[in-house]
Amino acid sequence: AQSVTQLGSHVSVSEGALVLLRCNYSSSVPPYLFWYVQYPNQGLQLLLKYTSAATLVKGINGFEAEFKKSETSFHLTKPSAHMSDAAEYFCAVSDNRGGSQGNLIFGKGTKLSVKP
Amino acid sequence: DGGITQSPKYLFRKEGQNVTLSCEQNLNHDAMYWYRQDPGQGLRLIYYSQIVNDFQKGDIAEGYSVSREKKESFPLTVTSAQKNPTAFYLCASKEGNSPGLTEAFFGQGTRLTVV
Repeated sequence: AQSVTQLGSHVSVSEGALVLLRCNYSSSVPPYLFWYVQYPNQGLQLLLKYTSAATLVKGINGFEAEFKKSETSFHLTKPSAHMSDAAEYFCAVSDNRGGSQGNLIFGKGTKLSVKP
Repeated sequence: DGGITQSPKYLFRKEGQNVTLSCEQNLNHDAMYWYRQDPGQGLRLIYYSQIVNDFQKGDIAEGYSVSREKKESFPLTVTSAQKNPTAFYLCASKEGNSPGLTEAFFGQGTRLTVV
């Protein structure tokens, strides 16, 4: 069965520091992977997605993620954190099972805090 | 502008009552989803529908019901059988073609509180 594990339920960085949010996946077939961001009491917004094209994917707000098959990872990074990046981030994999193709399986989320 | 509209944003329910959450989309998407979000548990799939007049149970369907009579609408009813209904509910939609490749678009959510 496919699954996603996000390491660290809370991550705190200083403004201007590197942001690294970790995501590992489990999938028996080449996965489609997504990162979403959620601000308090709002829905989810897509940051970026990997669909087997380039392994380094650039998204919105300066975020990027690298697909590493050998490590089954899809970590999210941003070179310099901004106060407005404080939010919860979710990694997701697309379910490839017949009948449920396209359903997203989410990790438990990582809450990012940015200190001034 | 195209998007997904969930209403109401906040909802209070007395124990033993059924309540219906609305989800409407004007993106012309075939697939629609309902997720439940609890702190520290991520998003869990309640029901999904890949085409009008058809829907499937997700991982936590017990105590919930849905209908899909129109492409644009996918209402969720939280019944009195749901033991712990207080949560944040999110509706989403996706294009039907190559659904694995496409991202889901989310509404702003409905926060349901049982009082």
